[in-house]
Amino acid sequence: DIQMTQSPSSLSASVGDRVTITCQASQDISNYLNWYQQKPGKAPKLLIYDASNLETGVPSRFSGSGSGTDFTFTISSLQPEDIATYYCQQYDNLPPGITFGQGTRLEIK
Amino acid sequence: QVQLVQSGAEVKKPGASVKVSCKASGYTFTSYGISWVRQAPGQGLEWMGWISAYNGNTNYAQKLQGRVTMTTDTSTSTAYMELRSLRSDDTAVYYCARVSVDYYFDYWGQGTLVTVSS
Repeated sequence: DIQMTQSPSSLSASVGDRVTITCQASQDISNYLNWYQQKPGKAPKLLIYDASNLETGVPSRFSGSGSGTDFTFTISSLQPEDIATYYCQQYDNLPPGITFGQGTRLEIK
Repeated sequence: QVQLVQSGAEVKKPGASVKVSCKASGYTFTSYGISWVRQAPGQGLEWMGWISAYNGNTNYAQKLQGRVTMTTDTSTSTAYMELRSLRSDDTAVYYCARVSVDYYFDYWGQGTLVTVSS
């Protein structure tokens, strides 16, 4: 099974900062990598799909990049409403399954 | 608009079973799959499995094989997840989510808290 390593596990940044989260797969997963935002007490929300595609309605300060085994999620200018936990998620077809990263808790400094 | 509405919170004793429902609206139910994802208190997201609403094919996480069953009722556009032989570590919020062709989850239910306690 493919393992996902997401880092950091927590992050403190100031409003306006550029924030980067990484996700590394143990094997090549092409671009089957997605990013979600989860606020306390709420369901996760899709932000980025297929590594770099911005979901409709999501602000353009969010972006994703990468392919193969190494992926990056970026917030270009942190806003107070971005405080949340972020998860990467991959799809593996041998055997079929889905794995989430461990999550990154983002706080305001 | 697409909506997934889940059934209410449940409290169960160890060894019992729970069945959570997820009613879909706003799209053609049989054109997408439904996945179930759970989140234990203070923990991350755990994928439980997937069901095709088109033909009922399923794929379960290895960890839950034998204890979980996912079904759909296309007449009511509702998906179900049944978990048997409940243990205290099954206490979690259970989410259903619509699965896209590229296996991302674009719409989520509101979550159902299942508490397993004696």
